[in-house]
Amino acid sequence: SSELTQVPAVSVTLGQTVRITCQGDSLRIYSVSWYHQRPGQAPVFVIYGTNNRPSGIPDRFSGSHSGNTASLTITGAQAEDEADYYCFSRDTNSNHWVFGGGTKLAVL
Amino acid sequence: QVQLVQSGAEVKKPGASVKISCRVSGNILATHYMHWVRQAPGQGLEWMGVINPSGSWASYAQNLRGRVTMTRDTSRRTVYMELSNLRSDDTAVYYCARDNSAAETSWWLDPWGQGTLVTVSS
Repeated sequence: SSELTQVPAVSVTLGQTVRITCQGDSLRIYSVSWYHQRPGQAPVFVIYGTNNRPSGIPDRFSGSHSGNTASLTITGAQAEDEADYYCFSRDTNSNHWVFGGGTKLAVL
Repeated sequence: QVQLVQSGAEVKKPGASVKISCRVSGNILATHYMHWVRQAPGQGLEWMGVINPSGSWASYAQNLRGRVTMTRDTSRRTVYMELSNLRSDDTAVYYCARDNSAAETSWWLDPWGQGTLVTVSS
């Protein structure tokens, strides 16, 4: 099976830029989608197809992908961006999908 | 705008089964795969499985195979997830979510249901 690895926690100073990464063998073939989740709420997708933002997501959110690593970048982080962030993609060798372990973002 | 509305919270004893429903607005069941995801307290998101538009095929996470069954009733615009032989570590919030895909290399889940809390306790 495939795994997606995320750093458990990162922090960023208000207004600065932060990058959250997601690594996995399947990412050499498939792209990721990214979700943020605030406590007690359902996840909300913020990036799909590596670097496409759905309507309503601020343009400070962007994505990139190189080799086996996908990244979510928040340029000019805001207090409301403090949340858990998850990547999601398909497993290489099966009809399974997988989430990364999640990254808790603190905005200081 | 498509909305997914899930059934209410459940409390079950170990060994019992639970069946959660997810009713969708619009006619998306005929054209979209539907995923189920769960989240144990204080833990991350866990993909559970997916069911195809006709309900003829489903794929389940390895660790749940044999205990989970996903079905759908297009006439009721509802998908179901049943988990049997419940254990305490099945205590979690369970979500349904619509699959979206592009070029068979990119998938995203949107929208999501509001979540259903299942508590397994003796």
